[in-house]
Amino acid sequence: GEDVEQSLFLSVREGDSSVINCTYTDSSSTYLYWYKQEPGAGLQLLTYIFSNMDMKQDQRLTVLLNKKDKHLSLRIADTQTGDSAIYFCAERGNFNKFYFGSGTKLNVKP
Amino acid sequence: EPEVTQTPSHQVTQMGQEVILRCVPISNHLYFYWYRQILGQKVEFLVSFYNNEISEKSEIFDDQFSVERPDGSNFTLKIRSTKLEDSAMYFCASSVQGNGELFFGEGSRLTVL
Repeated sequence: GEDVEQSLFLSVREGDSSVINCTYTDSSSTYLYWYKQEPGAGLQLLTYIFSNMDMKQDQRLTVLLNKKDKHLSLRIADTQTGDSAIYFCAERGNFNKFYFGSGTKLNVKP
Repeated sequence: EPEVTQTPSHQVTQMGQEVILRCVPISNHLYFYWYRQILGQKVEFLVSFYNNEISEKSEIFDDQFSVERPDGSNFTLKIRSTKLEDSAMYFCASSVQGNGELFFGEGSRLTVL
């Protein structure tokens, strides 16, 4: 079945770039997503990328997709303390079922 | 901005008790979902619901679970006889289309003692 893997933790200093990586297994996924979860909150859609794209940029966020390696990454430029959260990678399968990774906890140190 | 709302935010129950978790999806959305996240584990799909019936369910969604849309706004998840392993955060989600992005609620934390 589909499987999405992420590293569990990332710690960066404020102002640095953060890169959160994800691998997935379903090569037929047409969309891949990044969700953000702040403490006590639900999953908030950050950005997504269509599978025929290599890159998508949205302000401080850059998504890179390597379909050959089934690797997705999220780069946050000029990381702020408010970016501290858990970031989930997800791929969308049949019947709009989303398969999530375990989440990467980003800690931004002042 | 429209949002998915869930109640209760936290429920503590005794093993064997019935629990109903409630969700109000975004009003023009037609597809509804429940996901759960056991502490420290992945967010897992439970069930999807469209046109008053279940479209898809996972192997987790056994006979102890049921979903219902009792009126035009609420979408509920019932666990008939809770087990310790049902302790998790339950997320409701909705989407406009069957292949669209999901909008999640803030979750209902269920603790089974």
